[in-house]
Amino acid sequence: DGGITQSPKYLFRKEGQNVTLSCEQNLNHDAMYWYRQDPGQGLRLIYYSQIVNDFQKGDIAEGYSVSREKKESFPLTVTSAQKNPTAFYLCASSENRGVGELFFGEGSRLTVL
Amino acid sequence: RKEVEQDPGPFNVPEGATVAFNCTYSNSASQSFFWYRQDCRKEPKLLMSVYSSGNEDGRFTAQLNRASQYISLLIRDSKLSDSATYLCVVNIYNFNKFYFGSGTKLNVKP
Repeated sequence: DGGITQSPKYLFRKEGQNVTLSCEQNLNHDAMYWYRQDPGQGLRLIYYSQIVNDFQKGDIAEGYSVSREKKESFPLTVTSAQKNPTAFYLCASSENRGVGELFFGEGSRLTVL
Repeated sequence: RKEVEQDPGPFNVPEGATVAFNCTYSNSASQSFFWYRQDCRKEPKLLMSVYSSGNEDGRFTAQLNRASQYISLLIRDSKLSDSATYLCVVNIYNFNKFYFGSGTKLNVKP
């Protein structure tokens, strides 16, 4: 079955630690996205990538980093510079140029202790 | 100004009711439109795409008004299982970015 796999599903970290969230897709989509969702709020774009080895900042990129070395993979690192990292993180993909809808992974829930 | 705006609700309706949600978008270059459904603590899932001529899928009807820049979703004969948050999404091809409304919460009660 084609889809998007995010891991881990739940993650706890201490303040000052970097963490990396994995996102893998087998839909052969060119574009991939990372969103953050806080309780009772909408989705906010962190980073997106339209093609391998290229990515752009979204609306809230500070304190995050990404890489796109392979078409199917788009990991997100939440760095210690992110002041309020506790949130629900969603990875998504779409065909190139935004034709068609977004497909989402099941999300990763990060809690900073 | 937000790219996409929705009434956050909640809309509390009895089973069997008809309920309508509206969503406005600010960028006239928007070219794709969608309604997603999100259950509590889950990922959003596509409910339906929205086409210029309007489209229907069972109890759900979506409409697009490009001149006024708004999208609507009508749910007929509401079921308890329709309780969720409904997200309005627009895509601007030139930027290949999807913009989300903050969602409208629907509670269907027995």
